Amino acid sequence: GQQLNQSPQSMFIQEGEDVSMNCTSSSIFNTWLWYKQDPGEGPVLLIALYKAGELTSNGRLTAQFGITRKDSFLNISASIPSDVGIYFCAVAAGNKLTFGGGTRVLVKP
Amino acid sequence: SAVISQKPSRDICQRGTSLTIQCQVDSQVTMMFWYRQQPGQSLTLIATANQGSEATYESGFVIDKFPISRPNLTFSTLTVSNMSPEDSSIYLCSVEDGVGTGGSGEQFFGPGTRLTVL
Repeated sequence: GQQLNQSPQSMFIQEGEDVSMNCTSSSIFNTWLWYKQDPGEGPVLLIALYKAGELTSNGRLTAQFGITRKDSFLNISASIPSDVGIYFCAVAAGNKLTFGGGTRVLVKP
Repeated sequence: SAVISQKPSRDICQRGTSLTIQCQVDSQVTMMFWYRQQPGQSLTLIATANQGSEATYESGFVIDKFPISRPNLTFSTLTVSNMSPEDSSIYLCSVEDGVGTGGSGEQFFGPGTRLTVL
């Protein structure tokens, strides 16, 4: 089945840093989504992207839909402790979502 | 977006038994889905819960193991049957807001049911 390659698998953040993660696919998709999952919770939708090249922001989060429609990245600016969690990219084909493997964001000790 | 609740939030079950998980939405929705999230893994779609007809299962998932009901536009259940330790996972329902066809692709998730099978 379709695979999304999400990287990095994990990262450490220090408060105030900007961080970035990305997601690539071997196939073209017209809808890319970014979710965040906190421990013990379901994923929460952060940003939805519908147009190739589109750059969309939600507070300190910015996501871009790649021009080839095969990739997307998510940036978090000026990170804070509550940014810790697992971030998932997902693509929609019809009504079905396929998720990337996730990026686990941790706080630098 | 729709508010989604699931019951139970967690359970510990013995192998060979079955557990039914409920998903309740605070508004009518056409599309409801069930996902599995194995420990430390991403989400995998189990099936689409269709109101008034049989669920549509993804490859690797079968009705005998994961029977699904969808009696109306606000409620669905997923049963995990004849459980084994390999079924230990988080089970999540999700919805696309609204009633009708041509969804946006945006899905909203319930809090999940954490199942441990001994």
